[in-house]
Amino acid sequence: GAVVSQHPSRVICKSGTSVKIECRSLDFQATTMFWYRQFPKQSLMLMATSNEGSKATYEQGVEKDKFLINHASLTLSTLTVTSAHPEDSSFYICSANRNQQPQHFGDGTRLSIL
Amino acid sequence: AQTVTQSQPEMSVQEAETVTLSCTYDTSENNYYLFWYKQPPSRQMILVIRQEAYKQQNATENRFSVNFQKAAKSFSLKISDSQLGDTAMYFCAFMHIQGAQKLVFGQGTRLTINP
Repeated sequence: GAVVSQHPSRVICKSGTSVKIECRSLDFQATTMFWYRQFPKQSLMLMATSNEGSKATYEQGVEKDKFLINHASLTLSTLTVTSAHPEDSSFYICSANRNQQPQHFGDGTRLSIL
Repeated sequence: AQTVTQSQPEMSVQEAETVTLSCTYDTSENNYYLFWYKQPPSRQMILVIRQEAYKQQNATENRFSVNFQKAAKSFSLKISDSQLGDTAMYFCAFMHIQGAQKLVFGQGTRLTINP
Protein backbone atom coordinates (compact mmCIF):
# COMPACT_ATOMS: atom_id res chain seq x y z
CA GLY A 1 0.00 0.00 0.00
CA ALA A 2 0.91 3.67 -0.24
CA VAL A 3 3.57 4.80 2.20
CA VAL A 4 3.23 8.49 1.33
CA SER A 5 -0.17 10.11 1.21
CA GLN A 6 -0.70 13.38 -0.64
CA HIS A 7 -3.90 15.43 -0.52
CA PRO A 8 -5.77 16.74 -2.32
CA SER A 9 -5.29 14.94 -5.61
CA ARG A 10 -7.04 17.62 -7.63
CA VAL A 11 -7.72 21.29 -6.97
CA ILE A 12 -9.52 23.79 -9.16
CA CYS A 13 -9.80 27.31 -7.80
CA LYS A 14 -10.01 30.93 -8.71
CA SER A 15 -7.04 33.20 -9.22
CA GLY A 16 -5.91 34.82 -5.96
CA THR A 17 -6.78 31.83 -3.79
CA SER A 18 -4.18 30.20 -1.58
CA VAL A 19 -4.00 26.42 -1.82
CA LYS A 20 -2.53 24.03 0.73
CA ILE A 21 -1.24 20.59 -0.22
CA GLU A 22 -0.42 17.99 2.45
CA CYS A 23 2.17 15.25 2.30
CA ARG A 24 2.20 12.54 4.98
CA SER A 25 4.48 9.59 5.50
CA LEU A 26 2.17 6.84 6.71
CA ASP A 27 4.30 4.22 8.39
CA PHE A 28 7.67 5.79 8.90
CA GLN A 29 9.25 8.98 10.14
CA ALA A 30 10.69 10.80 7.19
CA THR A 31 14.14 12.27 7.54
CA THR A 32 13.44 14.66 4.73
CA MET A 33 10.55 15.53 2.48
CA PHE A 34 10.83 16.97 -1.00
CA TRP A 35 8.48 19.00 -3.17
CA TYR A 36 8.55 18.78 -6.95
CA ARG A 37 6.73 20.46 -9.78
CA GLN A 38 6.10 18.76 -13.09
CA PHE A 39 4.98 20.51 -16.27
CA PRO A 40 3.24 18.44 -18.97
CA LYS A 41 5.57 16.03 -20.75
CA GLN A 42 8.53 17.21 -18.71
CA SER A 43 10.61 15.85 -15.89
CA LEU A 44 10.22 16.51 -12.18
CA MET A 45 11.74 19.78 -11.04
CA LEU A 46 12.80 19.94 -7.39
CA MET A 47 11.32 22.99 -5.71
CA ALA A 48 12.49 22.60 -2.12
CA THR A 49 13.82 20.26 0.52
CA SER A 50 11.98 20.16 3.80
CA ASN A 51 13.37 19.02 7.15
CA GLU A 52 11.27 18.77 10.30
CA GLY A 53 11.63 21.74 12.59
CA SER A 54 13.76 23.84 10.29
CA LYS A 55 13.27 26.16 7.36
CA ALA A 56 12.94 24.61 3.96
CA THR A 57 15.79 24.88 1.49
CA TYR A 58 14.55 26.23 -1.82
CA GLU A 59 16.09 25.58 -5.21
CA GLN A 60 17.32 28.49 -7.26
CA GLY A 61 14.52 30.35 -8.97
CA VAL A 62 11.76 29.12 -6.64
CA GLU A 63 9.99 31.93 -4.82
CA LYS A 64 9.82 31.02 -1.15
CA ASP A 65 7.13 33.63 -0.46
CA LYS A 66 4.97 32.12 -3.21
CA PHE A 67 5.50 28.51 -2.18
CA LEU A 68 5.38 28.27 1.60
CA ILE A 69 6.57 25.01 3.09
CA ASN A 70 5.90 23.92 6.64
CA HIS A 71 7.30 20.73 8.10
CA ALA A 72 5.60 20.49 11.47
CA SER A 73 6.41 16.88 12.28
CA LEU A 74 8.41 13.91 11.03
CA THR A 75 5.35 12.67 9.17
CA LEU A 76 3.79 15.83 7.72
CA SER A 77 4.92 18.53 5.34
CA THR A 78 2.65 21.09 3.68
CA LEU A 79 3.08 23.23 0.59
CA THR A 80 0.96 26.36 0.34
CA VAL A 81 0.73 28.11 -3.00
CA THR A 82 -0.10 31.66 -1.96
CA SER A 83 -2.28 33.92 -4.08
CA ALA A 84 -2.22 31.41 -6.89
CA HIS A 85 -2.41 32.56 -10.50
CA PRO A 86 -2.92 30.62 -13.75
CA GLU A 87 0.83 30.29 -14.26
CA ASP A 88 1.00 28.30 -11.00
CA SER A 89 -1.19 25.61 -12.56
CA SER A 90 0.84 22.43 -12.59
CA PHE A 91 1.29 18.96 -11.15
CA TYR A 92 2.89 19.05 -7.70
CA ILE A 93 4.32 15.91 -6.15
CA CYS A 94 5.96 15.25 -2.81
CA SER A 95 8.30 12.55 -1.66
CA ALA A 96 9.73 11.37 1.63
CA ASN A 97 12.73 9.27 2.49
CA ARG A 98 14.34 7.47 5.35
CA ASN A 99 18.07 7.78 5.50
CA GLN A 100 19.75 6.41 2.37
CA GLN A 101 16.56 4.72 1.20
CA PRO A 102 14.81 5.41 -2.10
CA GLN A 103 12.32 8.23 -1.98
CA HIS A 104 8.67 7.26 -1.70
CA PHE A 105 6.41 9.50 -3.74
CA GLY A 106 2.90 10.72 -3.12
CA ASP A 107 0.35 10.40 -5.90
CA GLY A 108 0.59 14.09 -6.76
CA THR A 109 -1.76 17.06 -6.86
CA ARG A 110 -3.08 18.50 -10.09
CA LEU A 111 -3.59 22.22 -9.50
CA SER A 112 -5.66 24.28 -11.93
CA ILE A 113 -6.06 28.01 -11.38
CA LEU A 114 -8.85 29.65 -13.34
CA ALA B 1 26.39 20.08 -10.04
CA GLN B 2 25.19 16.69 -11.07
CA THR B 3 23.38 16.23 -14.35
CA VAL B 4 21.47 13.31 -15.74
CA THR B 5 20.88 12.93 -19.46
CA GLN B 6 18.39 10.71 -21.23
CA SER B 7 18.99 11.09 -24.94
CA GLN B 8 15.91 9.21 -26.15
CA PRO B 9 12.75 11.34 -25.78
CA GLU B 10 10.54 8.56 -27.16
CA MET B 11 10.81 4.86 -27.91
CA SER B 12 8.35 2.35 -29.25
CA VAL B 13 8.60 -1.45 -29.45
CA GLN B 14 6.34 -4.41 -30.02
CA GLU B 15 5.03 -6.44 -27.13
CA ALA B 16 7.43 -9.21 -26.00
CA GLU B 17 10.45 -7.44 -27.49
CA THR B 18 13.42 -6.27 -25.47
CA VAL B 19 14.11 -2.56 -25.17
CA THR B 20 17.01 -0.61 -23.69
CA LEU B 21 16.72 2.92 -22.36
CA SER B 22 19.87 5.01 -22.12
CA CYS B 23 21.04 7.24 -19.30
CA THR B 24 24.29 9.03 -18.66
CA TYR B 25 25.21 11.20 -15.72
CA ASP B 26 27.94 13.51 -14.60
CA THR B 27 29.35 13.64 -11.09
CA SER B 28 32.64 14.01 -9.28
CA GLU B 29 31.43 11.88 -6.39
CA ASN B 30 32.40 8.28 -5.85
CA ASN B 31 29.51 7.10 -3.69
CA TYR B 32 25.97 7.53 -4.91
CA TYR B 33 22.80 5.75 -5.93
CA LEU B 34 21.16 5.50 -9.32
CA PHE B 35 17.50 4.76 -9.92
CA TRP B 36 15.01 4.14 -12.67
CA TYR B 37 11.48 5.36 -11.97
CA LYS B 38 8.39 4.61 -14.04
CA GLN B 39 5.57 7.13 -14.38
CA PRO B 40 2.46 5.65 -16.05
CA PRO B 41 -0.43 7.85 -17.24
CA SER B 42 -1.75 7.88 -13.67
CA ARG B 43 1.39 9.95 -12.90
CA GLN B 44 2.39 7.84 -9.91
CA MET B 45 6.16 7.59 -9.52
CA ILE B 46 7.07 3.92 -9.23
CA LEU B 47 10.57 2.74 -8.36
CA VAL B 48 11.69 0.18 -10.94
CA ILE B 49 15.25 -0.56 -9.91
CA ARG B 50 18.17 0.88 -7.93
CA GLN B 51 21.93 0.54 -8.13
CA GLU B 52 24.52 1.40 -5.52
CA ALA B 53 27.64 2.84 -7.15
CA TYR B 54 29.97 0.77 -4.98
CA LYS B 55 28.46 -2.47 -6.27
CA GLN B 56 29.97 -3.80 -9.48
CA GLN B 57 27.18 -6.31 -10.04
CA ASN B 58 24.34 -5.00 -12.16
CA ALA B 59 20.98 -4.84 -10.40
CA THR B 60 18.14 -7.04 -11.64
CA GLU B 61 14.43 -7.05 -10.80
CA ASN B 62 12.51 -9.71 -12.72
CA ARG B 63 12.26 -8.45 -16.34
CA PHE B 64 14.21 -5.28 -15.55
CA SER B 65 17.97 -5.10 -15.45
CA VAL B 66 20.59 -2.40 -15.68
CA ASN B 67 23.95 -2.06 -17.36
CA PHE B 68 25.96 0.08 -14.97
CA GLN B 69 29.25 1.34 -16.37
CA LYS B 70 30.75 3.50 -13.62
CA ALA B 71 33.82 4.67 -15.52
CA ALA B 72 31.67 5.70 -18.48
CA LYS B 73 28.99 7.12 -16.14
CA SER B 74 26.35 5.19 -17.96
CA PHE B 75 23.27 3.51 -16.47
CA SER B 76 20.97 1.92 -19.04
CA LEU B 77 17.75 0.02 -18.32
CA LYS B 78 16.85 -3.15 -20.18
CA ILE B 79 13.27 -4.35 -20.21
CA SER B 80 12.91 -7.93 -21.38
CA ASP B 81 9.71 -9.52 -22.70
CA SER B 82 8.03 -6.12 -22.71
CA GLN B 83 4.37 -5.93 -21.75
CA LEU B 84 1.62 -3.45 -22.54
CA GLY B 85 1.68 -2.33 -18.91
CA ASP B 86 5.27 -1.18 -19.34
CA THR B 87 4.01 1.78 -21.38
CA ALA B 88 5.02 4.84 -19.36
CA MET B 89 7.52 7.64 -18.92
CA TYR B 90 10.79 6.36 -17.53
CA PHE B 91 13.08 8.62 -15.54
CA CYS B 92 16.68 7.96 -14.65
CA ALA B 93 17.73 9.57 -11.36
CA PHE B 94 20.91 10.20 -9.37
CA MET B 95 21.19 10.59 -5.61
CA HIS B 96 24.12 11.39 -3.34
CA ILE B 97 24.59 9.12 -0.37
CA GLN B 98 25.62 12.02 1.83
CA GLY B 99 24.00 15.38 2.40
CA ALA B 100 20.42 16.25 1.50
CA GLN B 101 19.98 13.12 -0.64
CA LYS B 102 18.18 15.02 -3.36
CA LEU B 103 17.19 13.22 -6.52
CA VAL B 104 18.37 14.64 -9.83
CA PHE B 105 16.20 13.43 -12.69
CA GLY B 106 16.84 13.02 -16.38
CA GLN B 107 14.48 14.43 -18.96
CA GLY B 108 12.60 11.16 -19.30
CA THR B 109 11.92 8.67 -22.07
CA ARG B 110 8.38 8.01 -23.20
CA LEU B 111 8.14 4.27 -23.87
CA THR B 112 5.23 2.81 -25.80
CA ILE B 113 4.66 -0.93 -26.03
CA ASN B 114 2.56 -1.80 -29.05
CA PRO B 115 0.31 -4.88 -29.20
